[in-house]
This record gives sequence, C-alpha cells and structure tokens, in this order.
Amino acid sequence: AQSVTQLGSHVSVSEGALVLLRCNYSSSVPPYLFWYVQYPNQGLQLLLKYTSAATLVKGINGFEAEFKKSETSFHLTKPSAHMSDAAEYFCAVSSGNTPLVFGKGTRLSVIA
Amino acid sequence: GAVVSQHPSWVICKSGTSVKIECRSLDFQATTMFWYRQFPKQSLMLMATSNEGSKATYEQGVEKDKFLINHASLTLSTLTVTSAHPEDSSFYICSASRDMTGNTIYFGEGSWLTVV
Repeated sequence: AQSVTQLGSHVSVSEGALVLLRCNYSSSVPPYLFWYVQYPNQGLQLLLKYTSAATLVKGINGFEAEFKKSETSFHLTKPSAHMSDAAEYFCAVSSGNTPLVFGKGTRLSVIA
Repeated sequence: GAVVSQHPSWVICKSGTSVKIECRSLDFQATTMFWYRQFPKQSLMLMATSNEGSKATYEQGVEKDKFLINHASLTLSTLTVTSAHPEDSSFYICSASRDMTGNTIYFGEGSWLTVV
C-alpha cells in the first residue's frame, strides 16, 4: 500500500520568503509523485510530477521539488513566495498503474 | 494539454432525490477514470475506479448502490448519487487517465453537491 504524509497542515510565510512544503511517501515500488495546488472552490491543478527521470523537478509558477529516495521525501519549494501562492497544496503518490493517493494537504498562507 | 470537464460545477438537490455528475475527457480517450470525494478542508479520498465497459471498482466503505458509476464510453464517466442525503454534500472530483502510466492523469474542475 502507498501513503503520503504531509507535515504541517498549515504553513505561513512572508511575501518574498522561501516556501517549503514537506511530503514524505511510503511505497513498495518505485513511485510516481505529484504536487497539486487547489485554490478555494476550485479543482486541482498539477504543479509538477516525478516519474523516474530527473530527481529535481521543475514545475509551474516557479515551484520545484526534489525526489530523495534515501529520505522517501518529495518536498516542494519556491524561492520567493507571492501572494497568489496562497492555496491548498496536495502531495500524491502512485505506482503508475494505481490511482493517486493524496496526502491531507497543506494550506499555505502568504503574509504581506 | 488534455482537458477533463465535469458537469455540473454546482448542484443543489433535495434530500431523497438522485443527481448525476458527468466527467468527460475532451481531447483524449480515457481508459480509466477515477472518482474522488473531498469534504471541506480535507483531502481527496478515492471513491472508485472505473474502466470503460466494465464495472467500477469501489474503495472500501463506499456504497456501490448509492454511488452508481457508469463508464459507457472512452470519453464519459458518470457518477449518480442516489437517494441523496445531506451528509452526501461534498466536492466530487473526477480524473481521467489516458494509459495508466502514472503521468497521464488529468483532473476535472470538480462538482459541488449540496443536498438540502
């Protein structure tokens, strides 16, 4: 079985500060890993995904994530937070032929 | 990019009635579609997996007679909430996969269901 743990249900950063959202996964097979963003009352938007290619994955809106097998982590970062980054972020894992399993989400607040 | 469309985006129905939500893949054929449910301020929970032309596979705890899923074509899956109750009020999201490789999964915009 696969699972995802997102540390911190709520993260608050100042505008212009580094964003770090943590995600650890558990998988018995090589995982596919995803980060999605959800704005209020909207669906999911894919930020980036890891599918066994480069371990450092660059996504949209300046986000990136690094797959670290030894740490079973896939943390999401952005060098400089913008007000428009305030949203709910979900990490998800799949084995490639199984449905995505989502973490509980982390709400990012950006303070002016 | 690939687009998955859900309809309706918002629906209000009376308790005891049934409501149907559609999920369409607009520019690709989806061999597999997934239905998720999201309660306010919570994560997405997989309800069922549907493959075109076969019966859906439901997750443990999901009532298959209450949440009817039909995947009649490669571009359309429907979720029907039968005899809806207020506790069924939730955000329902579908996703569609072109080939189940893990990196070709696209999400719909979601459908808000409110049962009054």
